[in-house]
Amino acid sequence: GNSVTQMEGPVTLSEEAFLTINCTYTATGYPSLFWYVQYPGEGLQLLLKATKADDKGSNKGFEATYRKETTSFHLEKGSVQVSDSAVYFCALKWDDMRFGAGTRLTVKP
Amino acid sequence: DTAVSQTPKYLVTQMGNDKSIKCEQNLGHDTMYWYKQDSKKFLKIMFSYNNKELIINETVPNRFSPKSPDKPHLNLHINSLELGDSAVYFCASSQASGVTGDTQYFGPGTRLTVL
Repeated sequence: GNSVTQMEGPVTLSEEAFLTINCTYTATGYPSLFWYVQYPGEGLQLLLKATKADDKGSNKGFEATYRKETTSFHLEKGSVQVSDSAVYFCALKWDDMRFGAGTRLTVKP
Repeated sequence: DTAVSQTPKYLVTQMGNDKSIKCEQNLGHDTMYWYKQDSKKFLKIMFSYNNKELIINETVPNRFSPKSPDKPHLNLHINSLELGDSAVYFCASSQASGVTGDTQYFGPGTRLTVL
């Protein structure tokens, strides 16, 4: 079946550090891939998405590229801020939506 | 304007009670969902529903039932609450469930605590 695996957290970084959160997927078809972010006490918000191979999604300084050859959709940001502290979910959608387990990011000043 | 809203935000109740959580979306979407998020933040789809089809995750106990009085609303009813039902429940909506690039929009969540 379709599934998403993302790196376990928690991840703790200093402000302005480089961020990578790894995400790989298994799918029987050609899914769309998403990153959602959940800030403390809130619901999930779409951060970015890519609908086909080699597409790059980007938003708020975050980027992820749909890599079909490595079945990956790693999330990156060049310089994190304290306000980026949240839980990040990788997800795929083919016939239904599947979420990864979430990665908690804490950014310290 | 809140796109997807849920009430209540917090719900504390005793084991064995019956409770409901309301969800409304003002996005004009055709499909709505209920998710359960456990204490480790793991998200599990419970139901997806549009005006034609209800898809139930087979692992969801039949004590849980979604009810849609009209297109913008999908309420979650829970009978005979158990301790293990304690979690955060999220409602979501999307334009069309059959489209792979379709984005889901989430409500703020309802934290249910069963004592």
